Amino acid sequence: EVQLVESGGGLVQPGRSMKLSCAASGFTFNNYDMAWVCQAPKKGLEWVATISYDGSSTYYRDSVKGRFTISRDNAKSTLYLQMDSLRSEDTATYYCARQEDYFDYWGQGVMVTVSS
Amino acid sequence: DTVLTQSPALAVSPGERVTISCRASESVSTRMHWYQQKPGQQPKLLIYGASNLESGVPARFSGSGSGTDFTLTIDPVEANDTATYFCQQSWNDPTFGAGTKLELK
Repeated sequence: EVQLVESGGGLVQPGRSMKLSCAASGFTFNNYDMAWVCQAPKKGLEWVATISYDGSSTYYRDSVKGRFTISRDNAKSTLYLQMDSLRSEDTATYYCARQEDYFDYWGQGVMVTVSS
Repeated sequence: DTVLTQSPALAVSPGERVTISCRASESVSTRMHWYQQKPGQQPKLLIYGASNLESGVPARFSGSGSGTDFTLTIDPVEANDTATYFCQQSWNDPTFGAGTKLELK
């Protein structure tokens, strides 16, 4: 059974940093691209970033370029999202997802609240 | 970015047929996918590649379309289909529609 379990969320002040993790199991992690998708409270879904199966390529939405860094450790089957210079508008639930051409498996999500 | 436009809400009775539409601001070929999200849960993939049913998803769900106009059909609707349905394109950087909230009468 495919499982994706996020951790690392919480309350953080504007301008500070936070790192999210996503532990994967039930599939061969290093065969798949992975992504982060966020959802602001009562809002829709927004793709945040994607990393290729081997970590050689990364892609970001414009609003997080230069502030967020997606990475992975294939030996640990773990995906990461380093979020720097956080803004109030980054407040959302962050999901990790396995990415084919679509997102076929999602974690349960972790809440990030950016507030003073 | 490719903008996806969905109707905000629909209300139907159990047993009826419902179609949920999604219009893209540019052609995405058949690279359109549909998700169901129930309150407090993560999204669940229903349809990929415009018309392919994800494994384990009931055959009551179907998808159609190509280019800019796409449809998700549920026939017949059941009570536990109450959810928000999102379309997502993968022709370029992924974008999602704002979601259609399906309510049962």
